[in-house]
Amino acid sequence: EPEVTQTPSHQVTQMGQEVILRCVPISNHLYFYWYRQILGQKVEFLVSFYNNEISEKSEIFDDQFSVERPDGSNFTLKIRSTKLEDSAMYFCASERDRTDTQYFGPGTRLTVL
Amino acid sequence: KNEVEQSPQNLTAQEGEFITINCSYSVGISALHWLQQHPGGGIVSLFMLSSGKKKHGRLIATINIQEKHSSLHITASHPRDSAVYICAVKRGTDKLIFGTGTRLQVFP
Repeated sequence: EPEVTQTPSHQVTQMGQEVILRCVPISNHLYFYWYRQILGQKVEFLVSFYNNEISEKSEIFDDQFSVERPDGSNFTLKIRSTKLEDSAMYFCASERDRTDTQYFGPGTRLTVL
Repeated sequence: KNEVEQSPQNLTAQEGEFITINCSYSVGISALHWLQQHPGGGIVSLFMLSSGKKKHGRLIATINIQEKHSSLHITASHPRDSAVYICAVKRGTDKLIFGTGTRLQVFP
């Protein structure tokens, strides 16, 4: 069964460093999402992406964040200058169309020291 | 106030018990999702509902659109059902809005 994959599974970085989290959505899916979950808290929406542009973004998704689909298969989330409070599990999700189920990747645990 | 509320927050059960987890929401939605999150953190979609009832194995999900309420039932619970169960709603746009989850532990 097709699945969403994410790399790396765990990323440790120093405050102020740039990180890129990578996702490979399911191949025939058209809508892509990033969510995050701070330890012990609920999952929060970051950004949605369709047709090579951002559809919607949350207040969390400030100028330090960006997303890209550089080659038609990968979907990346970049954090330019990480803060301690960016430490969280980041989930990528994709769906075929807006009436479909969202399929989640296994997550990347980001630790900012 | 959260747009999506779940109850209970924590639930323990003996193997074989019938379990119900509730979800209430305060906004108009296009669909409601039930998701399962295991201790490793991965999220698996169980159901997507816009009306009525769905069944998959020992899991049953129902939704009442008028009352803005959904329930997830697990029949004949098993220790492997132990996980966090999350209700999330879609409000006609792309994103999901998540509840805080219900932590279920099933003991042998």
